[in-house]
Amino acid sequence: ILNVEQSPQSLHVQEGDSTNFTCSFPSSNFYALHWYRWETAKSPEALFVMTLNGDEKKKGRISATLNTKEGYSYLYIKGSQPEDSATYLCASLDDYKLSFGAGTTVTVRA
Amino acid sequence: NAGVTQTPKFQVLKTGQSMTLQCAQDMNHNSMYWYRQDPGMGLRLIYYSASEGTTDKGEVPNGYNVSRLNKREFSLRLESAAPSQTSVYFCASIRGIETQYFGPGTRLLVL
Repeated sequence: ILNVEQSPQSLHVQEGDSTNFTCSFPSSNFYALHWYRWETAKSPEALFVMTLNGDEKKKGRISATLNTKEGYSYLYIKGSQPEDSATYLCASLDDYKLSFGAGTTVTVRA
Repeated sequence: NAGVTQTPKFQVLKTGQSMTLQCAQDMNHNSMYWYRQDPGMGLRLIYYSASEGTTDKGEVPNGYNVSRLNKREFSLRLESAAPSQTSVYFCASIRGIETQYFGPGTRLLVL
């Protein structure tokens, strides 16, 4: 199991503001980095799977970047909306299994 | 396409009772996983099956057993339930390095 860390643990954002948070993972033997969005009482849903150093992915107002050499990924939310409130998980793939971080819980205040 | 299905959705057990959580996927994925989710702990891997016919321990395997019945089905068994096993259990599947799909979860309470 890889040591995957996310920071901050939680954050509060005013509606309309943009925000970002970090996922760090071991850079050796890197295969893929996953981001998931997890709403309370639901299952995690995939946002991005990233494999290449320098990769950038975008889905609506949410985007992510990847630096495999230094072992970090950023997730950005532009113009936060109340429906963006959720826990965002990152996970690094190693030997057929994903190691998940503890998540960053985002609360968007109207 | 149902994706990943899990049964039951909810279960209450008494300490010492046994039960099996069922999971099935219809996406022809090779790898399947069982996680538990506890407050402040994120998702912790219990067992996984990289391919049909193989199973391996994850981070927290104690008190659990698994069976990869075929490519579609992966079950998790609690032989003698303990209160510490009160949790939400998620099954998931994946093909290669692609997106992992999760089932709806099983909420288990052990009294």
